[in-house]
Amino acid sequence: GDSVTQMEGPVTLSEEAFLTINCTYTATGYPSLFWYVQYPGEGLQLLLKATKADDKGSNKGFEATYRKETTSFHLEKGSVQVSDSAVYFCALSEEVQFYFGTGTSLTVIP
Amino acid sequence: DTAVSQTPKYLVTQMGNDKSIKCEQNLGHDTMYWYKQDSKKFLKIMFSYNNKELIINETVPNRFSPKSPDKAHLNLHINSLELGDSAVYFCASSQGAGMTNEKLFFGSGTQLSVL
Repeated sequence: GDSVTQMEGPVTLSEEAFLTINCTYTATGYPSLFWYVQYPGEGLQLLLKATKADDKGSNKGFEATYRKETTSFHLEKGSVQVSDSAVYFCALSEEVQFYFGTGTSLTVIP
Repeated sequence: DTAVSQTPKYLVTQMGNDKSIKCEQNLGHDTMYWYKQDSKKFLKIMFSYNNKELIINETVPNRFSPKSPDKAHLNLHINSLELGDSAVYFCASSQGAGMTNEKLFFGSGTQLSVL
């Protein structure tokens, strides 16, 4: 069945450091891929998405590219800020289901 | 205006009690969901309704019963609460039921603590 695997956290970075959170997926068809972000005490919000192979989703300085050959959708940001501290979820959607990864907690320290 | 609102935000109750969590969306979406997030942040789908009809019913105890009076509301009733039910419960909605390319809108969560 479909599934999403993302790197385990927690991740702690200094401000302005480079961020990568790895995400790989297993799917039977042609899913859409997403990154959601959850700030403390809040629900999940869509950060970015990509709907087909080689698409790049981007938002707020974050980027992720849909790589069909490696079944990956890694999240990157060139220079993180303290305000990026949150839990990040990789997800895929196919037909009537959403599949979420286990979440990666990111803490950015000044 | 809050797009997906759920109440209460916090719920503390004794084992064995029955409680309900309410959810409403004002986005005009056709599909609503309940997710459970455990203490390790793992997110698990529980139920999904499309136009008041149940379309996803994952393996959850039958103590959990969703009710959708109309497509803008999806309430979750829990009977005989157990310690293991303690979690954060998220309501969500999407435009349609064909999930590919759909975007989920989440409520801010209900933190349930069973003592």
